[in-house]
Amino acid sequence: QQNVQQSPESLIVPEGARTSLNCTFSDSASQYFWWYRQHSGKAPKALMSIFSNGEKEEGRFTIHLNKASLHFSLHIRDSQPSDSALYLCAVRNMGYKLTFGTGTSLLVDP
Amino acid sequence: AQTIHQWPVAEIKAVGSPLSLGCTIKGKSSPNLYWYWQATGGTLQQLFYSITVGQVESVVQLNLSASRPKDDQFILSTEKLLLSHSGFYLCAWSLGTGGRDTQYFGPGTRLLVL
Repeated sequence: QQNVQQSPESLIVPEGARTSLNCTFSDSASQYFWWYRQHSGKAPKALMSIFSNGEKEEGRFTIHLNKASLHFSLHIRDSQPSDSALYLCAVRNMGYKLTFGTGTSLLVDP
Repeated sequence: AQTIHQWPVAEIKAVGSPLSLGCTIKGKSSPNLYWYWQATGGTLQQLFYSITVGQVESVVQLNLSASRPKDDQFILSTEKLLLSHSGFYLCAWSLGTGGRDTQYFGPGTRLLVL
């Protein structure tokens, strides 16, 4: 049974700061990894995905994946108030089951 | 462009009453479809998925059932609601064989059971 945990649970950062969010998973057979962002009252939207060890950058967002450590992370450069949201990581082995993490609530203080 | 629609937008229902929530997706042929549930302040939990008409796989047992009567339609239902069914129900779609395909969510239905 996959167990996906996120840290920290919540975070307040000043505008312009670099923000780091963490996700650990329990199943070493996990192969595919996503970060989703959910603004208050809205549906989650996929931010980025990564499928092999290393780093992937898209604009202000960077994902790091280390499968051996069962860990991946999301880094936000130059955080903006519009980045304030619930961030959810998600993990999949094969097939159609996607397991989401416990979530990190981010508030960017202008 | 694909569009995903969920109905109703919100519901207030009594404990013990039946429920039917719907999801339709337009603009994609033979999508994979999913139902998720999110308790207030809670994480997103996958309930069901369907890769083809008439076939639905259950992921979590929550006294709910799902059906896929048409290629573009996914229905979530129960005959008897519990207080614990309150939350945010989200339909999602993807294309592919379940590996690298990203799941995209509909706007969701808010359910309050009293």
